[in-house]
Amino acid sequence: DGGITQSPKYLFRKEGQNVTLSCEQNLNHDAMYWYRQDPGQGLRLIYYSQIVNDFQKGDIAEGYSVSREKKESFPLTVTSAQKNPTAFYLCASSTQLRDRDTDTQYFGPGTRLTVL
Amino acid sequence: QKEVEQNSGPLSVPEGAIASLNCTYSDRGSQSFFWYRQYSGKSPELIMSIYSNGDKEDGRFTAQLNKASQYVSLLIRDSQPSDSATYLCAFRPGGYNKLIFGAGTRLAVHP
Repeated sequence: DGGITQSPKYLFRKEGQNVTLSCEQNLNHDAMYWYRQDPGQGLRLIYYSQIVNDFQKGDIAEGYSVSREKKESFPLTVTSAQKNPTAFYLCASSTQLRDRDTDTQYFGPGTRLTVL
Repeated sequence: QKEVEQNSGPLSVPEGAIASLNCTYSDRGSQSFFWYRQYSGKSPELIMSIYSNGDKEDGRFTAQLNKASQYVSLLIRDSQPSDSATYLCAFRPGGYNKLIFGAGTRLAVHP
């Protein structure tokens, strides 16, 4: 059963804590992405990775960190430096086809993070 | 700043009618456009992708692209209550790997 999994589904964080959100895919996709969605807003890109051991900052990378040690996994750490982390976090992956224009992103089920 | 604009809605249509969702984008070099559907509390799922000017049909869905006007739309024929969701428009700016998303249009189909 192929797909993208994210865990946990809900996460609560206290002020000053770092938390790590998991994202795993078994689609054999090369590229993986992390987005943040706030109510009434579009998705904003946090980080993305096109290949193992390499990743790039997106539009709102401050206060977040990632790693890409395996093709299937792209965990996101929300650090205490992120001042307003309460949001819906979405992981996506894509094949990164040779034709970039037709490359399509598919999303995992998301993690809803709340700061207490 | 590369942007995409969508009317937030809600767009309310009766069951069986055609729903028309519209989106404008800022980057003339864009080649790839996507429509995602997002139910409340869920993640986005891909509905349509379109890369060339004109219409692309898939079942009850038709995407329309006009690059000269920087305009993309999604038509949903024979709308059903199960189509009630937020529809996100996204485009890939020329030369970039990332997607830019609009805030979405909320569609409500009433019986």
